[in-house]
Amino acid sequence: DSGVTQTPKHLITATGQRVTLRCSPRSGDLSVYWYQQSLDQGLQFLIQYYNGEERAKGNILERFSAQQFPDLHSELNLSSLELGDSALYFCASSPRGETQYFGPGTRLLVL
Amino acid sequence: DAKTTQPPSMDCAEGRAANLPCNHSTISGNEYVYWYRQIHSQGPQYIIHGLKNNETNEMASLIITEDRKSSTLILPHATLRDTAVYYCIVKTNTGTASKLTFGTGTRLQVTL
Repeated sequence: DSGVTQTPKHLITATGQRVTLRCSPRSGDLSVYWYQQSLDQGLQFLIQYYNGEERAKGNILERFSAQQFPDLHSELNLSSLELGDSALYFCASSPRGETQYFGPGTRLLVL
Repeated sequence: DAKTTQPPSMDCAEGRAANLPCNHSTISGNEYVYWYRQIHSQGPQYIIHGLKNNETNEMASLIITEDRKSSTLILPHATLRDTAVYYCIVKTNTGTASKLTFGTGTRLQVTL
């Protein structure tokens, strides 16, 4: 158990819909990261927040957004969902920018 | 961050040592070598990391060559539960902006 929690574990929705994935970092960690893992793209970095502020950005689509709240939990919002957004979404946390510890992931299926 | 090269797959007999190589010939002086593994769609699991010196923890040992252009992850007594995809990643640890760039990794199959 890494100490990082993610909800929900599974999510099934339809194209065009919007969903919110939630992540609670390890106690004391200020950085939260989001990664997407699809069958054809592998594990890809989406975005990082540090103490409430966006700190690094990867290949995150404009339809996707994230935020980190004062209690340090983070949410990843995915809108106008497409079939290709079906993937595993992982959250990770670290104290600052060092070793990242991953949560169990949210499996998203868009039908 | 520097790019890494790993063999796509390896086999290891249970109880034997698994030695997973990684090449990172363009690594910079301030970049660490990190190893993670992913067991069947679970979240990636941190194993070990190092800068210059060899490192050992309860999971594995990391051997980094003197020129730092390659490294080897050693699982001393592999078990069936070690079957996973192993990722070698190099990254800096300075500042607060950070990301992990995952390649395709090495799929380790541990067999009886």
